[in-house]
Amino acid sequence: LAKTTQPISMDSYEGQEVNITCSHNNIATNDYITWYQQFPSQGPRFIIQGYKTKVTNEVASLFIPADRKSSTLSLPRVSLSDTAVYYCLVVLFSGGYQKVTFGTGTKLQVIP
Amino acid sequence: DVKVTQSSRYLVKRTGEKVFLECVQDMDHENMFWYRQDPGLGLRLIYFSYDVKMKEKGDIPEGYSVSREKKERFSLILESASTNQTSMYLCASWAGLAGDSRYEQYFGPGTRLTVT
Repeated sequence: LAKTTQPISMDSYEGQEVNITCSHNNIATNDYITWYQQFPSQGPRFIIQGYKTKVTNEVASLFIPADRKSSTLSLPRVSLSDTAVYYCLVVLFSGGYQKVTFGTGTKLQVIP
Repeated sequence: DVKVTQSSRYLVKRTGEKVFLECVQDMDHENMFWYRQDPGLGLRLIYFSYDVKMKEKGDIPEGYSVSREKKERFSLILESASTNQTSMYLCASWAGLAGDSRYEQYFGPGTRLTVT
């Protein structure tokens, strides 16, 4: 499984765009990239997934360059409720099931 | 909405006890997972199951076993609880790649287990 590296923590003011970058140098050809959000005392919640280029949904955008060795989660105009830990995962799909490794995540603190 | 429930939010057990953590999902998902979460270590995969009675070891299976007798239920068993198994335990389920090909795992609220 490809190991991921992301910043331990980030601070941002309300209303700003936040970009969290994750490196995954050993990503394999068939691996996907997913991001999760976790609030205290809750289980993680899926945000977005991608393979390459750009993916956008109602919550976030995910940018993946051509070499796929990194990815950037972009949160537009964050609010206080976006304060959470964000995890970048590389998904190995093999034999009909997925296997992932969660890293330690990035703790995002949104400041009023 | 997919719902993943775990039998207890908080549990306190003594060293050496046999502990059962239950997880139930209501969306007919093929795949279920057990993780533990510890400060500074993120989530670590203990076991997963891709079908009834099928199981695979994750990254840290030592000291744990699992049971999946029915599709909707996945149990984590601590055969003889130890203090180093004090942790937050999270269960998740995944539908598989049919349909929209999403790798989305749905998590339960977690069980905070304390072993004294």
